[in-house]
Amino acid sequence: AQTVTQSQPEMSVQEAETVTLSCTYDTSENNYYLFWYKQPPSRQMILVIRQEAYKQQNATENRFSVNFQKAAKSFSLKISDSQLGDTAMYFCAFIDFGNEKLTFGTGTRLTIIP
Amino acid sequence: DAGVIQSPRHEVTEMGQEVTLRCKPISGHNSLFWYRQTMMRGLELLIYFNNNVPIDDSGMPEDRFSAKMPNASFSTLKIQPSEPRDSAVYFCASSSRTSGSLDTQYFGPGTRLTVL
Repeated sequence: AQTVTQSQPEMSVQEAETVTLSCTYDTSENNYYLFWYKQPPSRQMILVIRQEAYKQQNATENRFSVNFQKAAKSFSLKISDSQLGDTAMYFCAFIDFGNEKLTFGTGTRLTIIP
Repeated sequence: DAGVIQSPRHEVTEMGQEVTLRCKPISGHNSLFWYRQTMMRGLELLIYFNNNVPIDDSGMPEDRFSAKMPNASFSTLKIQPSEPRDSAVYFCASSSRTSGSLDTQYFGPGTRLTVL
């Protein structure tokens, strides 16, 4: 069974700083996708970024980028120039081609300090 | 384009009552998922449908829970009878699955259920 581990329950950084959230996963599959979802206080689950395992290039979306290390089964999220609106729970998630089930980590609560 | 639509946004009911949660997936998406989020267990997949057919309901906690998808644009999750331990946020998500590919799951705003 796949597992996703987020070892940082909480983090806080000053506005405009850069922060990195960690995620590791365990799987025997070779074809899979990884995601970071953001859940602000409104509780809406919002897709932040997606990475296909077969792609070597790390995904980027504006201020958000990932460091995908397939051999190490690591998938960290870097937020540059952090903004107050980035305050949220961040969930790392995994899905493989064998099924459509998303497996979520336990989340990291990120607070951006003005 | 409209995202995934869920109703109601909030539901407060008494133990023993029937609860029905509703979901309209994104138009054109052929997979639909029901998740439950609690502090204790995090996000759990309850059931998912592909082309209106239930594919995996192994996450449904017990017989009190049932889900239907009568057509491509509507799904319900029913709890009968409800119990206080069912209190949670229930999310619906949809994606566009084709043979040999995966797609991102897009989530609705969730329904916060409180069972007294």
